[in-house]
Amino acid sequence: NAGVTQTPKFQVLKTGQSMTLQCAQDMNHNSMYWYRQDPGMGLRLIYYSASEGTTDKGEVPNGYNVSRLNKREFSLRLESAAPSQTSVYFCASSRTSGGVLSTDTQYFGPGTRLTVL
Amino acid sequence: SQELEQSPQSLIVQEGKNLTINCTSSKTLYGLYWYKQKYGEGLIFLMMLQKGGEEKSHEKITAKLDEKKQQSSLHITASQPSHAGIYLCGAFSNSGNTPLVFGKGTRLSVIA
Repeated sequence: NAGVTQTPKFQVLKTGQSMTLQCAQDMNHNSMYWYRQDPGMGLRLIYYSASEGTTDKGEVPNGYNVSRLNKREFSLRLESAAPSQTSVYFCASSRTSGGVLSTDTQYFGPGTRLTVL
Repeated sequence: SQELEQSPQSLIVQEGKNLTINCTSSKTLYGLYWYKQKYGEGLIFLMMLQKGGEEKSHEKITAKLDEKKQQSSLHITASQPSHAGIYLCGAFSNSGNTPLVFGKGTRLSVIA
């Protein structure tokens, strides 16, 4: 059982380049999330998808877009990367239901370490 | 918005010693999660607490949620090198209609 998988594991971009971070879960979860983790800042929510077909902004959405491709996959896109987006990005998923978030446990992927030069 | 404050920010303990990490919320907690993260890896779910006064244990790690549901503590007994990592608390501030927010983490080092 793979759980939550993320690709790539590492990425280096130049300022202005674009890229998409991929996330997939095989637990039949309804809700998926994207976080970034920075030293001294903890985990901050970028976007989330409470259920297939819906997406909502989190705490730090600027500079990012997301797509809930299907129930399994939730991608994060950087259209024009900036050095401030250098971070470790984590995808997570939780069971929930009905398009409403609940207190179900979130399970995390291994992360993508992104550097923007 | 809800904020979670963790203390201490970092901790160095000798192998075999006990330790406690605290997580304090600015609002009533409706679900408190503890995760562990090893350097360069993802978060591993440890425990979830929901009821005031609740206490859960897993191997040598015990987590408690106070009666007022505004503070949680994570206690490790007889620490081992395998306990080293970053411990994060995460919580919902109401019945679940808002996403999880996290504390900034406590970095634990265990030395022989």
